[in-house]
Amino acid sequence: EIVLTQSPATLSLSPGERATLSCRASQSVSNYLAWYQQKPGQAPRLLIYDASNRATGVPARFSGSGSGTDFTLTISSLEPEDFAVYYCQQRSYWLWTFGQGTNVEIK
Amino acid sequence: QLQLQESGPGLVKPTETLSLTCNVSGGSISSSNHFWGWIRQPPRKGLEWIGNIYYSGSAYYNPSLRGRVTMSVDTSRNQFSLRLSSVTAADTAIYYCAVVRGGYSFDYWGQGTLVSVSS
Repeated sequence: EIVLTQSPATLSLSPGERATLSCRASQSVSNYLAWYQQKPGQAPRLLIYDASNRATGVPARFSGSGSGTDFTLTISSLEPEDFAVYYCQQRSYWLWTFGQGTNVEIK
Repeated sequence: QLQLQESGPGLVKPTETLSLTCNVSGGSISSSNHFWGWIRQPPRKGLEWIGNIYYSGSAYYNPSLRGRVTMSVDTSRNQFSLRLSSVTAADTAIYYCAVVRGGYSFDYWGQGTLVSVSS
């Protein structure tokens, strides 16, 4: 089973700042890595798939990069609605796993 | 646009079986390349994948739950279901149904339903 480790656990930033979130896989997942955003009381929302492709309707300030075992989600300039928890996710050998999440909170 | 809606009891007793259904609208559950899944989230914790099922009935489960979990599809009702047996308090969570369309990421999610395990 591939384990996804996200860092940091919490990121304290101000609106307008740049957010950089990391997701590391215990073995290569090629580029089969997705990112989700979850706000309190809501279901997760797909942001990025295939490591770097934005899902429909996702603002351009969200970008993803990486391949193999190291991946990054970048929010170029935080908007008030971007403060949320972010999860990475992969599928390998018909097993899906999620990272433990990064909480992006207002500083 | 696909819409998913979970339904089922909000309270289950320890040792009993948790049963949930996900109703699919805006599309057919028999669509090719669509994998229908369940994910759960214990209170104040992260997401845990439970399993995915294809309309044909082929299913894949989280190894940590294997032996307790069963998923099924009802194409006539355009819905799929989850059964989790021998539940304990550790199974208390919000349960989401979701769909993978042709890839591996969950494109659409239900709103989630809270299931508490308590006597």
